[in-house]
Amino acid sequence: GAVVSQHPSWVICKSGTSVKIECRSLDFQATTMFWYRQFPKQSLMLMATSNEGSKATYEQGVEKDKFLINHASLTLSTLTVTSAHPEDSSFYICSASRASNNEQYFGPGTRLTVT
Amino acid sequence: AQSVSQHNHHVILSEAASLELGCNYSYGGTVNLFWYVQYPGQHLQLLLKYFSGDPLVKGIKGFEAEFIKSKFSFNLRKPSVQWSDTAEYFCAVNAQGGGFKTIFGAGTRLFVKA
Repeated sequence: GAVVSQHPSWVICKSGTSVKIECRSLDFQATTMFWYRQFPKQSLMLMATSNEGSKATYEQGVEKDKFLINHASLTLSTLTVTSAHPEDSSFYICSASRASNNEQYFGPGTRLTVT
Repeated sequence: AQSVSQHNHHVILSEAASLELGCNYSYGGTVNLFWYVQYPGQHLQLLLKYFSGDPLVKGIKGFEAEFIKSKFSFNLRKPSVQWSDTAEYFCAVNAQGGGFKTIFGAGTRLFVKA
């Protein structure tokens, strides 16, 4: 149990367009979901924390108008990168946790390339 | 604010060598501690975790970690590594009661020579 999926796994888009990434908890209800960004050969950087039905909490330095997060249900959170630029190219990873424990379950990640 | 420090960025070992990866954290309250592994081309997987109780925690694949509260450390160990342990290892911390916000260390890239 505790499987998290992400879609798409890889996306290429043109500069100026928007891209939506989905994160789903497949077999459990996720009260909290997290979005991370991982640059090559670096650690995960927490971007934001989202709780179902409320606004996401963004980390310092993360533009909330650029990275729109929606956590509409207990099994789905979306990250939309608006007006993407090449510097937004990265590996985006989501994780989900449930209220019953303090463990995070990670998705496989989405590689975004902006040309 | 919480922070996590991993001492080694790159480690190269021969098979059967013993492994110890250092992890120190900075936080004044009660914490939960994790080690994650990321094999090449795969996503993060939990190796082991410490919430409370016995400070010596055993995880999957023969890994263990010891929480030493006085040293704010949570070092990862394995007595005898295998080539298949080649991966990147991340130490992570979140604060009990802190909304599960988890902070990751920079990671240690382990390469095991066959």
